[in-house]
Amino acid sequence: QQQVKQSPQSLIVQKGGISIINCAYENTAFDYFPWYQQFPGKGPALLIAIRPDVSEKKEGRFTISFNKSAKQFSLHIMDSQPGDSATYFCAARGGADGLTFGKGTHLIIQP
Amino acid sequence: GAGVSQSPSNKVTEKGKDVELRCDPISGHTALYWYRQSLGQGLEFLIYFQGNSAPDKSGLPSDRFSAERTGGSVSTLTIQRTQQEDSAVYLCASSLGSFNEQFFGPGTRLTVL
Repeated sequence: QQQVKQSPQSLIVQKGGISIINCAYENTAFDYFPWYQQFPGKGPALLIAIRPDVSEKKEGRFTISFNKSAKQFSLHIMDSQPGDSATYFCAARGGADGLTFGKGTHLIIQP
Repeated sequence: GAGVSQSPSNKVTEKGKDVELRCDPISGHTALYWYRQSLGQGLEFLIYFQGNSAPDKSGLPSDRFSAERTGGSVSTLTIQRTQQEDSAVYLCASSLGSFNEQFFGPGTRLTVL
């Protein structure tokens, strides 16, 4: 499977700030790009997802920006809260198959 | 409502032993996936079942790994002759269909001594 590269590996943001996590992919066959949130001891949970026919999707404080030509997508968390502290994974999929995940970003929101 | 369940939650075994990990998908979900999450790494796709079709085994790391899904529901991931590098959290996910959102279970933490 093609790799999905995620950065940064860890991120510290002040409460109320904007958290930004970036991902890049190589496989142009990917057509579904979800972001997952994982708390310690739990399985990942879908946060928000986008398909390449749109450049942005917003759900509450969470926004995905997608740049098809650059093969990049990013997660923005507005007004970051301590409860947002978790590990975030970007992923990608082409067709009916398993997801290809980035290596994750450990996000800490300082009160 | 019931989510994806996995058992056991933790498994400690000795090198060379065989282990079986179980996944109960959400009722009605036809697609089932196994992933492996190693410390500091992302999730690595292992195998995918869609209904009663033959599984896509392309992600299995070695021939010591196998999986089956009985009656289109419960799945078992078996690791034979476990090695220390098999230590990881094994996650199962299910979805309504192949193109739907995947819901993950809590995982089984496997430690091979």
